Amino acid sequence: NAGVTQTPKFQVLKTGQSMTLQCAQDMNHEYMSWYRQDPGMGLRLIHYSVGAGITDQGEVPNGYNVSRSTTEDFPLRLLSAAPSQTSVYFCASSYSGGTGTYEQYFGPGTRLTVT
Amino acid sequence: GQQVMQIPQYQHVQEGEDFTTYCNSSTTLSNIQWYKQRPGGHPVFLIQLVKSGEVKKQKRLTFQFGEAKKNSSLHITATQTTDVGTYFCAANDYKLSFGAGTTVTVRA
Repeated sequence: NAGVTQTPKFQVLKTGQSMTLQCAQDMNHEYMSWYRQDPGMGLRLIHYSVGAGITDQGEVPNGYNVSRSTTEDFPLRLLSAAPSQTSVYFCASSYSGGTGTYEQYFGPGTRLTVT
Repeated sequence: GQQVMQIPQYQHVQEGEDFTTYCNSSTTLSNIQWYKQRPGGHPVFLIQLVKSGEVKKQKRLTFQFGEAKKNSSLHITATQTTDVGTYFCAANDYKLSFGAGTTVTVRA
């Protein structure tokens, strides 16, 4: 299993450009999430999904869109990039497994710089 | 959303010494998870605590969930250079709310 994969690893955008960060998992996990990580602030939840066709907003959703057409893929779209969106973005997946443990598996991250 | 606060933000430890990092919430938590992130890496799940007063051990790491389920701690004994990284607590199941983390450096 590849686990959770993210592309690209690095990206530089100009203000106003749009792009899509890709995330895929091959573990058949029902839950998927996007986080951004900024220095001194931990990880903050952007959007999450509890299954194909179902998404919801997290703590910092403004400026981002998501969709979940399949169990495997959960792309994150930046509509009009702003310097405040410079960050490291992590995708994660998890499952309940009937035990109530929602261990999250993280991808390697995408480092985004907006100039 | 649910907020968890972590202290200290930084911990500089002499190799071989013990240290503890703390996680506090103003509300009762259903469970709490702990993650470790090595420099340049991604967070990796360590453990989940569910029961009031629960204590779990992983080798030199001891995790505790408070009796009121509003706080948790991670205690590391005999710190090694492999313990370097940032330790996060997180709450709220599959849509986690993370603390800001404790970044640990080790002096050999």
